[in-house]
Amino acid sequence: GNSVTQMEGPVTLSEEAFLTINCTYTATGYPSLFWYVQYPGEGLQLLLKATKADDKGSNKGFEATYRKETTSFHLEKGSVQVSDSAVYFCALIPFFGNEKLTFGTGTRLTIIP
Amino acid sequence: NAGVTQTPKFQVLKTGQSMTLQCAQDMNHNSMYWYRQDPGMGLRLIYYSASEGTTDKGEVPNGYNVSRLNKREFSLRLESAAPSQTPVYFCASSEIEVDRGNRERNTIYFGEGSWLTVV
Repeated sequence: GNSVTQMEGPVTLSEEAFLTINCTYTATGYPSLFWYVQYPGEGLQLLLKATKADDKGSNKGFEATYRKETTSFHLEKGSVQVSDSAVYFCALIPFFGNEKLTFGTGTRLTIIP
Repeated sequence: NAGVTQTPKFQVLKTGQSMTLQCAQDMNHNSMYWYRQDPGMGLRLIYYSASEGTTDKGEVPNGYNVSRLNKREFSLRLESAAPSQTPVYFCASSEIEVDRGNRERNTIYFGEGSWLTVV
């Protein structure tokens, strides 16, 4: 079946540090890959997505590249801010069949000034 | 454009009470979903609806029922609240996009969540 494995948290970084949150997946074919973000007390928001190999999704300074050869979709940001503190979820939708998202367990990120 | 709207955002229930969460989307999407989010578990699918009038069970449907009476609305009913039913509930809807390779892809949009407390 499909699965998403995320880097375990919590992750604590200082402001302006470089961020990487690892995400690897198992799926048949070519799934679409997503990063969602949940800020404290709020719902999930789509952060970025990629739909085919070597695509790079980007938004708000965050980037993730769809790596078919390593089945990965790691989230990166060059300089984090306190406002980036949130829980980040990696997810996939399989190319064939149903439309259901498969989520990772989430990684809590805390940025300290 | 309000996107996906779910109500109530907060609710306190007594053990054994039932209640219904309402969800509406104004994006003309065919597919709608109800997820629950438990600590450390990520999101799990309760029920989904691929189109008006159809519903299917997801990963964790026990103790819940759903209704998709029209294209806009998808409600979730908790039949008998229990302390184990206090995760956060998220409604979502999805659209199909066609990429440059003419392949269909889905993107899902979420509501803000509903926080339930069972006492």
